[in-house]
Amino acid sequence: TQLLEQSPQFLSIQEGENLTVYCNSSSVFSSLQWYRQEPGEGPVLLVTVVTGGEVKKLKRLTFQFGDARKDSSLHITAAQPGDTGLYLCAVTTGTASKLTFGTGTRLQVML
Amino acid sequence: DSGVTQTPKHLITATGQRVTLRCSPRSGDLSVYWYQQSLDQGLQFLIQYYNGEERAKGNILERFSAQQFPDLHSELNLSSLELGDSALYFCASSVDRNSPLHFGNGTRLTVT
Repeated sequence: TQLLEQSPQFLSIQEGENLTVYCNSSSVFSSLQWYRQEPGEGPVLLVTVVTGGEVKKLKRLTFQFGDARKDSSLHITAAQPGDTGLYLCAVTTGTASKLTFGTGTRLQVML
Repeated sequence: DSGVTQTPKHLITATGQRVTLRCSPRSGDLSVYWYQQSLDQGLQFLIQYYNGEERAKGNILERFSAQQFPDLHSELNLSSLELGDSALYFCASSVDRNSPLHFGNGTRLTVT
């Protein structure tokens, strides 16, 4: 079983639509990160959330950390083709700060 | 540009062979992490080094090994390669355990 389950696995939408992707776990975390990975590149950190219930905004992206710090969501408003990519949530586990990634949501935004 | 350099970008080799992947971390970063990304397993942590010493191990096979050199660059050695080892291998670096990771653009390994 995966520590972090992301849904949906795939999402194909039209430019201008809104969408939400989810990252769920049965474990509690002190913080959670969201990354975006574009084809041919490595993951790039978008945001870190650390407080239960925290909401962070990055332009058209809104990130929320669940009150119980077990889950998180990413909402994109008015999606653009440049938002296309693989969205990964990740948490730090273990004493050596190993970063464990979720299963990922692959987003395609079409013109 | 993350500042993390990985070479080569692509590698095609045959089963049973051995390859070495190289990673140069961002200037000033002491920690290096290796990850494997395959379609069915996602992004999996392999191993971490900090200032030359191994700090954490993930699901790394015994056929795989890594090291971090005094100049802080790292190498991941994969031996007795199998078809299932075909994947993207990413290196990431960070200043310390509490800092964000910066990923390179990966090495795509194809085992035929």
